Amino acid sequence: GAVVSQHPSRVICKSGTSVKIECRSLDFQATTMFWYRQFPKKSLMLMATSNEGSKATYEQGVEKDKFLINHASLTLSTLTVTSAHPEDSSFYICSALGVAGVPEQYFGPGTRLTVT
Amino acid sequence: KQEVTQIPAALSVPEGENLVLNCSFTDSAIYNLQWFRQDPGKGLTSLLLIQSSQREQTSGRLNASLDKSSGRSTLYIAASQPGDSATYLCALIKAAGNKLTFGGGTRVLVKP
Repeated sequence: GAVVSQHPSRVICKSGTSVKIECRSLDFQATTMFWYRQFPKKSLMLMATSNEGSKATYEQGVEKDKFLINHASLTLSTLTVTSAHPEDSSFYICSALGVAGVPEQYFGPGTRLTVT
Repeated sequence: KQEVTQIPAALSVPEGENLVLNCSFTDSAIYNLQWFRQDPGKGLTSLLLIQSSQREQTSGRLNASLDKSSGRSTLYIAASQPGDSATYLCALIKAAGNKLTFGGGTRVLVKP
């Protein structure tokens, strides 16, 4: 149990376009999902906390108008990178918080974004 | 602000040797601590989760200890194998439902 999926697994887009990444909890409901960004050979950096039915909470330095987060249901959160630039190229990972028992976060497999 | 440090950043050992990975943190008021494994280009695999009230957790060849008073956790991997080569990350949660704060990770290479 406790499987989190991300789609797409990798995407290449041109500068100026927008890209949407989906994070789904497949077999449990997640009121809270987290979005992380990871640069090569670096650790994960939290971008925002997404709560179902409310606005996301962004970490300091993360542009909320550039990284749009929507958590419309208990099993789906989306991250949209708007007007992407090459510096947005990165590995984006989501996690979903289990609601029963120990509140462990379950991570998706990640999405590799390359902006050309 | 919680800071999480993992030293060394990289480690290379011959197959069969025991691995000792260190994680230190500055704020002892934590809810739980979690160790993850990450293979290149992949997501995170949870290895062990230690709740604040626990001192250690074990799973197979893996053992993780937690000492809140000294702000340390150690992950032991017994009898390392080449398949153990990966980056190991520790992360803390301050309160239930809160965000994880990650250490920088330790890249491990187990040589056959």
